Amino acid sequence: SQQGEEDPQALSIQEGENATMNCSYKTSINNLQWYRQNSGRGLVHLILIRSNEREKHSGRLRVTLDTSKKSSSLLITASRAADTASYFCATVGRGTYKYIFGTGTRLKVLA
Amino acid sequence: GAVVSQHPSWVICKSGTSVKIECRSLDFQATTMFWYRQFPKQSLMLMATSNEGSKATYEQGVEKDKFLINHASLTLSTLTVTSAHPEDSSFYICSASNPLFAGTNTEAFFGQGTRLTVV
Repeated sequence: SQQGEEDPQALSIQEGENATMNCSYKTSINNLQWYRQNSGRGLVHLILIRSNEREKHSGRLRVTLDTSKKSSSLLITASRAADTASYFCATVGRGTYKYIFGTGTRLKVLA
Repeated sequence: GAVVSQHPSWVICKSGTSVKIECRSLDFQATTMFWYRQFPKQSLMLMATSNEGSKATYEQGVEKDKFLINHASLTLSTLTVTSAHPEDSSFYICSASNPLFAGTNTEAFFGQGTRLTVV
């Protein structure tokens, strides 16, 4: 399977703490994207990082990309209860719009 | 941003019946759409690539006679789950990309998903 791996599978933290999720993938990519999914709902696009970028910020989100290690991380700072959701990385190979999703991290932020 | 609309958002059907799910791109023409399936507490698995005007391309292990895909127009792809069984119960999501941006780093747009329950 080409599916990416994410760790941890589940993460439980207190409100105000930072949450870090990691994603590893297997093939060369055009870009990598992070999505959030609330239970039983659709996907919300969070951030896109191109293969020639190493770090990107958006509000409380910070994404890094290391193409030599085929890995990415998502950091959510000062977490809130509303951040409770599943987070997925998705990679897009070169010349394609086919998304390969990681296994996901279920984040629970306790108030 | 672009919108992809998926319908219905949920459906319950009896075993043995067929269910059709629609995926529409509302403000651009999508020559390619993708269908994903997600089991509870699992990730999204790509089922097939839907190509306008030609046959869909199915991922390994996905039965093409079971999951019929039709992409008859540039704004509509349909997934029909034929002779549904309880094990087909899942969350199905489609996505579409604007071919005008092919080769550039833009996001794909996802439908809201359809929760299928087969009883």
